Amino acid sequence: DAGITQSPRHKVTETGTPVTLRCHQTENHRYMYWYRQDPGHGLRLIHYSYGVKDTDKGEVSDGYSVSRSKTEDFLLTLESATSSQTSVYFCAIGQGEDTQYFGPGTRLTVL
Amino acid sequence: AQSVTQPDIHITVSEGASLELRCNYSYGATPYLFWYVQSPGQGLQLLLKYFSGDTLVQGIKGFEAEFKRSQSSFNLRKPSVHWSDAAEYFCAVGDSNYQLIWGAGTKLIIKP
Repeated sequence: DAGITQSPRHKVTETGTPVTLRCHQTENHRYMYWYRQDPGHGLRLIHYSYGVKDTDKGEVSDGYSVSRSKTEDFLLTLESATSSQTSVYFCAIGQGEDTQYFGPGTRLTVL
Repeated sequence: AQSVTQPDIHITVSEGASLELRCNYSYGATPYLFWYVQSPGQGLQLLLKYFSGDTLVQGIKGFEAEFKRSQSSFNLRKPSVHWSDAAEYFCAVGDSNYQLIWGAGTKLIIKP
């Protein structure tokens, strides 16, 4: 399995608080992705990165920001969490057109 | 617009029976196609992928998929399912921006 870790694995927070999720890879893959998974919606892309400090928006980017200051780390920040952001968040890595490899996920609950 | 459709939200199959999960895509160019599996509480694992060449692709855990350009389909098959195959299965197509477009998933239930 690709070396991808996500932290924290579970988090409960309150509406209006900032939250940062971390994705760490040891595979030196160029591309990194943040998805959210909700029942009936499959996976939806939030943001992705195609290199250090190079990021772009995905399908559901509103309310989220990202940063990638080094190859191995990709941070997802919810500036002011809302209940609609309660979800399971997955990080993935890849080398472009080829396979994406997924982390174990972070379950976020916003009360 | 590019899209992936998995028409079946749930499928129930008896253990030992054959399985086919449907996937249809809409994409202008030659697609890169993927099937992933997600066990409860787990991340997604690649089952198989099609980039080019032989349209019948073999994957892990005894799964295979056939790319049919004329039908815009990439259906997943397994000749005999095991209880451990109970999971959710996702079809995806890769686009020109190195992103994956995902289907909504099909949940496979195995009857003993």
